[in-house]
Amino acid sequence: GAVVSQHPSWVICKSGTSVKIECRSLDFQATTMFWYRQFPKQSLMLMATSNEGSKATYEQGVEKDKFLINHASLTLSTLTVTSAHPEDSSFYICSARDPTGNSPLHFGNGTRLTVT
Amino acid sequence: GENVEQHPSTLSVQEGDSAVIKCTYSDSASNYFPWYKQELGKRPQLIIDIRSNVGEKKDQRIAVTLNKTAKHFSLHITETQPEDSAVYFCAAAIYNQGGKLIFGQGTELSVKP
Repeated sequence: GAVVSQHPSWVICKSGTSVKIECRSLDFQATTMFWYRQFPKQSLMLMATSNEGSKATYEQGVEKDKFLINHASLTLSTLTVTSAHPEDSSFYICSARDPTGNSPLHFGNGTRLTVT
Repeated sequence: GENVEQHPSTLSVQEGDSAVIKCTYSDSASNYFPWYKQELGKRPQLIIDIRSNVGEKKDQRIAVTLNKTAKHFSLHITETQPEDSAVYFCAAAIYNQGGKLIFGQGTELSVKP
């Protein structure tokens, strides 16, 4: 069935550096993907909607210059956390749905980001 | 925009008892209501979902009910087992928008043997 792959599954970086997270739809084309952030013991908060071939749509309060989203192909969206700080440490997770048929939403495995 | 409220935040039951988690939503345009189970450090797993054209859906020990008028939906787990222990999230979406989910705050369910 449809699968969404996310990479890396965990990353540790130093404060001030940038980190790129990839989200791929493996056997379907996703014109739209979604990026969520989840702090410990909290819910998943939608950060942005990634649109293939156009600009991402960011939710209120999410800094677009800090969280760069690129959706250059129908199977790949990337989230880059720029100039990361310890408060950006979180679980980032992407999702996508096969637009054909009646498919449910699929989540990637998530990326645990730790900024030291 | 959509806002989803979920209660309770924690729920402890004895093995074999039933568990009920309730959610309300604000946007009457929402028509898709999935429930996810999330274990620590893992991605959410879809356990059941319901569309706004039905009022109830059941899958073995799990059922979901939807009251569109009141904008309420609930998850019912019967004959709970220790392996049901996890965090459960409800969510709401407009289905043809491709899956933009707004999640509830989550319920930590603990099933005691």
